[in-house]
Amino acid sequence: GIQVEQSPPDLILQEGANSTLRCNFSDSVNNLQWFHQNPWGQLINLFYIPSGTKQNGRLSATTVATERYSLLYISSSQTTDSGVYFCAVLLSGGSYIPTFGRGTSLIVHP
Amino acid sequence: DGGITQSPKYLFRKEGQNVTLSCEQNLNHDAMYWYRQDPGQGLRLIYYSQIVNDFQKGDIAEGYSVSREKKESFPLTVTSAQKNPTAFYLCASRATGTGTEAFFGQGTRLTVV
Repeated sequence: GIQVEQSPPDLILQEGANSTLRCNFSDSVNNLQWFHQNPWGQLINLFYIPSGTKQNGRLSATTVATERYSLLYISSSQTTDSGVYFCAVLLSGGSYIPTFGRGTSLIVHP
Repeated sequence: DGGITQSPKYLFRKEGQNVTLSCEQNLNHDAMYWYRQDPGQGLRLIYYSQIVNDFQKGDIAEGYSVSREKKESFPLTVTSAQKNPTAFYLCASRATGTGTEAFFGQGTRLTVV
């Protein structure tokens, strides 16, 4: 099946710093999402981004489908950004089951 | 408001008991999914359903069962055959087709006591 790899696995920042999270996938996809898992465990939808670039406030994401990767940018990080960030993909021509990476755990210190 | 509701939020089970986790959605989505998350791990697929009255095993289906009698509901039963059921369980739904997002419930944290 498709492999989804996220890096780095852990990230520690001071408030105000910028960061880039990466998601690599092993096959063609027609759907890619980024989620933030908050401290209570809920998965919050950040971006649906099978290709191109999107921005939402301090967060932005870029997917280069032909090169099989996606990037999530967090600018001017805040303590509320802490949590785990997951990317999930749907394989092109597959059974449309979201497949997740292992996540990037982010801690933002005040 | 439209969304996905999982209940209960916390559940305690004695060894040897079956327990059922509820997942209800009012998003009119055809596809529903159950995932398991262990501490520090990603999400692993237990079962999924693309349409009412049909469901398929995921990667870790042993010890679990599901039903899909209504479009809105996809309950998960954790049976006594599941040897290590303590985990966080997440339910998701998605409209069918390629260009649609998945949405998640708040999760159920199951602990065996």
